[in-house]
Amino acid sequence: GNSVTQMEGPVTLSEEAFLTINCTYTATGYPSLFWYVQYPGEGLQLLLKATKADDKGSNKGFEATYRKETTSFHLEKGSVQVSDSAVYFCALTLNTNAGKSTFGDGTTLTVKP
Amino acid sequence: GAVVSQHPSWVICKSGTSVKIECRSLDFQATTMFWYRQFPKQSLMLMATSNEGSKATYEQGVEKDKFLINHASLTLSTLTVTSAHPEDSSFYICSARDRVEIPGYEQYFGPGTRLTVT
Repeated sequence: GNSVTQMEGPVTLSEEAFLTINCTYTATGYPSLFWYVQYPGEGLQLLLKATKADDKGSNKGFEATYRKETTSFHLEKGSVQVSDSAVYFCALTLNTNAGKSTFGDGTTLTVKP
Repeated sequence: GAVVSQHPSWVICKSGTSVKIECRSLDFQATTMFWYRQFPKQSLMLMATSNEGSKATYEQGVEKDKFLINHASLTLSTLTVTSAHPEDSSFYICSARDRVEIPGYEQYFGPGTRLTVT
């Protein structure tokens, strides 16, 4: 089956620190990969995506590269801000699965001033 | 663009009553909408896939008679929690896919509805 494994949290960093949240996946096919962010009490917002191997998704200083050889899509940011504090979800979607997405368990990030 | 709204944003109801949650795509047409349930500090659990003009497809373990889903138009899907009980208290989130085929099959999420059953 399909699954997404995320780095366990919570993650606590100081402002301007480097962030990495690991994400690996298994899929019965060729998935598209996503990172979503959820702020307290809100729904999910798309942060970035990649649809094929070696694609790099980027947005708001966050980046992730679709690595087919390691089945990974790690999220990185060079310098985090307090406003980046949120829960981050890695997800995959397969067209062959009626477009349903499989989500990781989420990683809570707290950035302290 | 690609905005999804949910109504209400929060609701409190008494045990035994029914509650309807609306999910609307505001600036695009959605042939497919998804309903999720999220428990505190947990990931999203897909409840069902809602397709316009046809019956919803429920995930294993989800009671279709309890969680009624209607996708009556290309911009509206509703989730009705029937005979609600305290264990149904949760955060319900919908998402929608644009009718136009977009590479990557991105979903657009609503802001969620907090349901509390007393």
